[in-house]
Amino acid sequence: LAKTTQPISMDSYEGQEVNITCSHNNIATNDYITWYQQFPSQGPRFIIQGYKTKVTNEVASLFIPADRKSSTLSLPRVSLSDTAVYYCLVGVPSGGYQKVTFGIGTKLQVIP
Amino acid sequence: GAGVSQTPSNKVTEKGKYVELRCDPISGHTALYWYRQSLGQGPEFLIYFQGTGAADDSGLPNDRFFAVRPEGSVSTLKIQRTERGDSAVYLCASSLTTSGLAFNEQFFGPGTRLTVL
Repeated sequence: LAKTTQPISMDSYEGQEVNITCSHNNIATNDYITWYQQFPSQGPRFIIQGYKTKVTNEVASLFIPADRKSSTLSLPRVSLSDTAVYYCLVGVPSGGYQKVTFGIGTKLQVIP
Repeated sequence: GAGVSQTPSNKVTEKGKYVELRCDPISGHTALYWYRQSLGQGPEFLIYFQGTGAADDSGLPNDRFFAVRPEGSVSTLKIQRTERGDSAVYLCASSLTTSGLAFNEQFFGPGTRLTVL
C-alpha cells in the first residue's frame, strides 16, 4: 500500500477556499486516491475519489497531476461545519474490497 | 435508510474482562470492516468480512481479538482478557461488493468507545 503524507493541521477563515495536498510518491499504476472526512465522535465519511486529472462533486474537487505523485483536495468557501479531520487514502478498489490505510490525517480548523 | 449502527456506544470494563462489540451493517452490504482508532490517530484496519467469512484478518493485533459474522449481516468483535492498551474507539464499516474494478464506498458507523480500566 502506498504511503501518504499530508499536513497535520490547517487553519482557514470562513468563506475561503481550502486546499489540502497529499503526497503519495509510491503510488502504483492501479491505485485510486480517495479522501474521507471525519467529524468528532463520528466515523469517517467518503468525500471524493479520483484516478487522474480532476474530479468534482457537490462537496469538493480533487486535482491530480499527470505524475499522480500528489493530489489536492479543494473545499470551496468553507464554513464552520467543515471543521474536521481529512484523510487521504491510496489503494485499489478491486472487486469491492479496498483495504485502506488511514494516516493521521489533516485537522482543518475553520475560524469565524 | 438506516446507516451502520454499533452497540454499545460506550463500554467501560476492567482489565482482564471479556467484551463483545456489535455492528449492524447497512442492509444488503456484503462487505464489512472493523477498524480501531486511538486518540489523535486515523482508523487502523482490523478485519474484513466478505459475507460470512473473514477474507482478511491481518490487522487483528493478537489472538485475544476475534470477530464473527455468522449470517453474513451482523458482526461481533470479541476481545478476551482486555488490557488497558485496548482502549480505543472501535469502528465498523460496510460496503456493497461488485465485480471488477469498481469503487465501493465504505459507510462507517459512529463507533464504540471502549475504556479498559
